[in-house]
Amino acid sequence: DAKTTQPPSMDCAEGRAANLPCNHSTISGNEYVYWYRQIHSQGPQYIIHGLKNNETNEMASLIITEDRKSSTLILPHATLRDTAVYYCIVRPYNNAGNMLTFGGGTRLMVKP
Amino acid sequence: EPEVTQTPSHQVTQMGQEVILRCVPISNHLYFYWYRQILGQKVEFLVSFYNNEISEKSEIFDDQFSVERPDGSNFTLKIRSTKLEDSAMYFCASSERQANTGELFFGEGSRLTVL
Repeated sequence: DAKTTQPPSMDCAEGRAANLPCNHSTISGNEYVYWYRQIHSQGPQYIIHGLKNNETNEMASLIITEDRKSSTLILPHATLRDTAVYYCIVRPYNNAGNMLTFGGGTRLMVKP
Repeated sequence: EPEVTQTPSHQVTQMGQEVILRCVPISNHLYFYWYRQILGQKVEFLVSFYNNEISEKSEIFDDQFSVERPDGSNFTLKIRSTKLEDSAMYFCASSERQANTGELFFGEGSRLTVL
């Protein structure tokens, strides 16, 4: 699997945009970028995924660089409830395996 | 909104005892997973299950572990003879399609404490 590198922690002010970076310099052409988050000790929650185009849904936006070696998850207006560990995961879009490999993630602290 | 439910939320057991953790996946989902997270550590994949058989498992998932879908709705994880190092939060997940092409929906977890 392509490995990802994320900063261990970040702070963000409530109401401001949270921009969470992820490096995946060894990503392959058939690999998607997934983002999940884990609030406290709850089960991980899917946020968004993409291949090469920018994606947006009701939770967040995903910006993937043109060379696909890095991406940024954007929470446009962070709230206190967005405090969580955010995981960037790359996985191939095929039937070679169906598990997700979680790394250490980025612990985002949203402050009032 | 449909959700994955897990029981019990917390179980305390003695070392060497058998434990069964139960999960009810989302009803139209076809793929089922167990993950675990030891306190303070990463979320780790254990096993995936499709069409009534294991499709993939990690090296953690040794002979002490087994999974079953006994009645078409429940998905269970059994640990035959628990060890202290089995203490962890166990998460069940389900997906409509394989993880590569879809998202996983996780339950709230079952905390297992082995004494």
